[in-house]
Amino acid sequence: DSGVTQTPKHLITATGQRVTLRCSPRSGDLSVYWYQQSLDQGLQFLIQYYNGEERAKGNILERFSAQQFPDLHSELNLSSLELGDSALYFCASSVEGNSNQPQHFGDGTRLSIL
Amino acid sequence: GNSVTQMEGPVTLSEEAFLTINCTYTATGYPSLFWYVQYPGEGLQLLLKATKADDKGSNKGFEATYRKETTSFHLEKGSVQVSDSAVYFCALSGRNFNQAGTALIFGKGTTLSVSS
Repeated sequence: DSGVTQTPKHLITATGQRVTLRCSPRSGDLSVYWYQQSLDQGLQFLIQYYNGEERAKGNILERFSAQQFPDLHSELNLSSLELGDSALYFCASSVEGNSNQPQHFGDGTRLSIL
Repeated sequence: GNSVTQMEGPVTLSEEAFLTINCTYTATGYPSLFWYVQYPGEGLQLLLKATKADDKGSNKGFEATYRKETTSFHLEKGSVQVSDSAVYFCALSGRNFNQAGTALIFGKGTTLSVSS
C-alpha cells in the first residue's frame, strides 16, 4: 500500500461529459503529480502541485484542469470528454517535490469514454 | 528533449534465469534515475533509485547502476521468480527540465514474463 488514495477506481461516461478524479496524497507529502497512461502514449506527466500551488505543467490539454486544496488532496477535472481521453489516470505524491525523492503512486482511476 | 529509451519487450524467461532490461536516457543537468514496477491492475511501485553518477540502487534482488558516461541505468537480477512477472518502467527526474518541474519522464515499459 503506497498510502496514496485515488477515487473512483473506475469511471464510465460519454463523450462531451465532465468528470472529476480525486487524489489523497500520502500523509506528510506536499507535492502531487498527475499522470496519464494510455496504450499509444505510454505514461505522460500532466501537472504538478506543491503545497496548493501549481508548480509545473506537462502535456495537459486545455480541457483538463486541476487543483490542490488546503488539506493537500487534489482533483483533476476533465471536461468535454473525447474518446481519446480513455486512459488510466495516476496520481503520485512526494514529500517536497525534490527530484531526488521518489514519487509514490496510487492505483489509478480507469476512465472509459463510450 | 529529455527522454528515456527502454528495450522492447516482452521479455520471457524461465525461473532462476538472469535478467537484464536495458535503459538509456537523454537529459540536461543531473537527473535522478528510477525503476518502477507495475503489477497487473495496480499502480506503479518504486523498485529502486539512484541520484548521482556511479550510485547503485538495489532492492529485492534487483540492481541498477547510474552510468553517466554511457547515460545508462540497466536493471539486473541474478535469478528471477514467477512473482517478478510485471511491467518495468525506467524513469528520470530533474530540476533542469523546461516546464516540467520535477516530473518523471518514463520509458515505454518492458513486460517481463517468468515461467516455472
